Amino acid sequence: DADVTQTPRNRITKTGKRIMLECSQTKGHDRMYWYRQDPGLGLRLIYYSFDVKDINKGEISDGYSVSRQAQAKFSLSLESAIPNQTALYFCATSDSGTGFGYTFGSGTRLTVV
Amino acid sequence: GESVGLHLPTLSVQEGDNSIINCAYSNSASDYFIWYKQESGKGPQFIIDIRSNMDKRQGQRVTVLLNKTVKHLSLQIAATQPGDSAVYFCAERDGSTLTFGKGTMLLVSP
Repeated sequence: DADVTQTPRNRITKTGKRIMLECSQTKGHDRMYWYRQDPGLGLRLIYYSFDVKDINKGEISDGYSVSRQAQAKFSLSLESAIPNQTALYFCATSDSGTGFGYTFGSGTRLTVV
Repeated sequence: GESVGLHLPTLSVQEGDNSIINCAYSNSASDYFIWYKQESGKGPQFIIDIRSNMDKRQGQRVTVLLNKTVKHLSLQIAATQPGDSAVYFCAERDGSTLTFGKGTMLLVSP
């Protein structure tokens, strides 16, 4: 099983719909992140969490919200999806105690039509 | 769907050549740098890291060089193989999170 699991892998949704992307990890890491990836723009940080009660905005948080339900789970919600939120979304984890390298999930490809 | 590799700088090499991928970072206060590899349909994978108090670090077939004077990072891959074909990202720790570069696509032909 993957260390960082994202569901769903692919999703097509309509403009205006609410959608949730889920991330769970078995690495025991305390820190979790959500990034989006667009062609030619690299990875941009949406939200991050350093512990269960800690939520921080990233570079591009507008239109998104997150919930850290447990140390192992971090979900990303699009309250009212719009077409320019069509992108690849990645969840990542890191351990504050042992290093700073991120472990990434396999991504969710979201298309808003 | 559209590939994340579109619109990226591309380096094309022959199998067996050495490859050098470059990255300019933005923050002179960044204290930690990482190179990631992303294959098609997968998430980025850690390759090698370096702290700002070092200027060179070697791994298996890979070397990272850091030049803080000009804020430049490079990844050298020795004896490049077709399996090295991917998009490569540098990342810098700026505060408490990582900021990623836009990436370079490496194409290795047999």
